[in-house]
Amino acid sequence: DSGVTQTPKHLITATGQRVTLRCSPRSGDLSVYWYQQSLDQGLQFLIQYYNGEERAKGNILERFSAQQFPDLHSELNLSSLELGDSALYFCASSVGQGRNQPQHFGDGTRLSIL
Amino acid sequence: AQSVAQPEDQVNVAEGNPLTVKCTYSVSGNPYLFWYVQYPNRGLQFLLKYITGDNLVKGSYGFEAEFNKSQTSFHLKKPSALVSDSALYFCAVSPPYNQGGKLIFGQGTELSVKP
Repeated sequence: DSGVTQTPKHLITATGQRVTLRCSPRSGDLSVYWYQQSLDQGLQFLIQYYNGEERAKGNILERFSAQQFPDLHSELNLSSLELGDSALYFCASSVGQGRNQPQHFGDGTRLSIL
Repeated sequence: AQSVAQPEDQVNVAEGNPLTVKCTYSVSGNPYLFWYVQYPNRGLQFLLKYITGDNLVKGSYGFEAEFNKSQTSFHLKKPSALVSDSALYFCAVSPPYNQGGKLIFGQGTELSVKP
């Protein structure tokens, strides 16, 4: 058990809808990362937050947004959903914000767009 | 551009034999390299990392990796494979220049260890 909790485990919705994915990091970790895993794109970094502030940004679509709250949990909001957004979304956490930090991954939220 | 390549989609090994999962990288500056393992329906688990120092890095579950700067490689190795090592393995690089802890992953290698 990594200590990173993601909810829900599965989400099925329709095109055009909006969903929110939630992540609770390991106790003591200040950084939260979001990744998207799909068959065609592989594992793609979306965004990192450190102690409530955006730290690094990857290939995150404008329809997607994230935030980290004062209690350090994070939410990833996906709107105007398209079929291509179907993927496994992982949250990871680490103690610090730098590039030498091992990241600890949750078990993911599987998003299916019908 | 920073990138990671895992040239083999699948590696098949007999239990008890040594295993190698290959990774090459392309990055400017000093590479920070990682190996992660993913079991079915689970998140990735950290195995080991290379930041600096000794080129041979030891990690979890008996795995080790060898950093080779001249060949820009970071191959994952284990002297004696177990059936329970069967999983999807990812090599990753953390790029420099103020990109936080962002990881760029290879496409993954499916390791199958047969009894």
